[in-house]
Amino acid sequence: EVQLVESGGGLVQPGGSLRLSCAASGFTFSSYAMSWVRQAPGKGLEWVSAISGSGGSTYYADSVKGRFTISRDNSKNTLYLQMNSLRAEDTAVYYCAKVGFPGAWELPLDYWGQGTLVTVSS
Amino acid sequence: EIVLTQSPDFQSVTPKEKVTITCRASQSIGSSLHWYQQKPDQSPKLLIKYASQSISGVPSRFSGSGSGTDFTLTINSLEAEDAATYYCHQSRAFGQGTKVEIK
Repeated sequence: EVQLVESGGGLVQPGGSLRLSCAASGFTFSSYAMSWVRQAPGKGLEWVSAISGSGGSTYYADSVKGRFTISRDNSKNTLYLQMNSLRAEDTAVYYCAKVGFPGAWELPLDYWGQGTLVTVSS
Repeated sequence: EIVLTQSPDFQSVTPKEKVTITCRASQSIGSSLHWYQQKPDQSPKLLIKYASQSISGVPSRFSGSGSGTDFTLTINSLEAEDAATYYCHQSRAFGQGTKVEIK
């Protein structure tokens, strides 16, 4: 059974940093690209970032480019999102999601974690 | 940058009624359009992939159609458990969501 479990969310001051983790199980992690998608309170879904299965290719939304870094450790079956220079508008539930089949990252997201809440406030 | 626009934003529907949600892309995307259902306090769930392909375990009353720039999600004979927000998705873009409420 595929499982994605996010952790690392919490309250952080504007300008601060946070690292999110997503522990994956139930599939061959290194074969699948992964994405982060966020949802501000009461708002819709926003794609944040994606990474290829090998970790060699990364992609970012313009809203986080230069501030967030996606990475993965395939030996630990774990996806990361390093978030720096955080702003109030980054406040959201952050979901990690797996793409539907091996290969490209621009694929349907067939499994999602339960999400972790990041609150940026002084 | 592709923009996805859904309509309507909100729909109040009685059980057994048919629901139609549309998603329009700002440029042609072929059939690379996917639909998700998100119930309150839950993670999104993949409903339909590549415009019309069904997903294992999803009830057959959910179907999708369209290509190019215009897509439709149809829920035939709405059930109470279908109360949720529905999103279309392509690559980096999500639609703004359509909330379906049961009357």
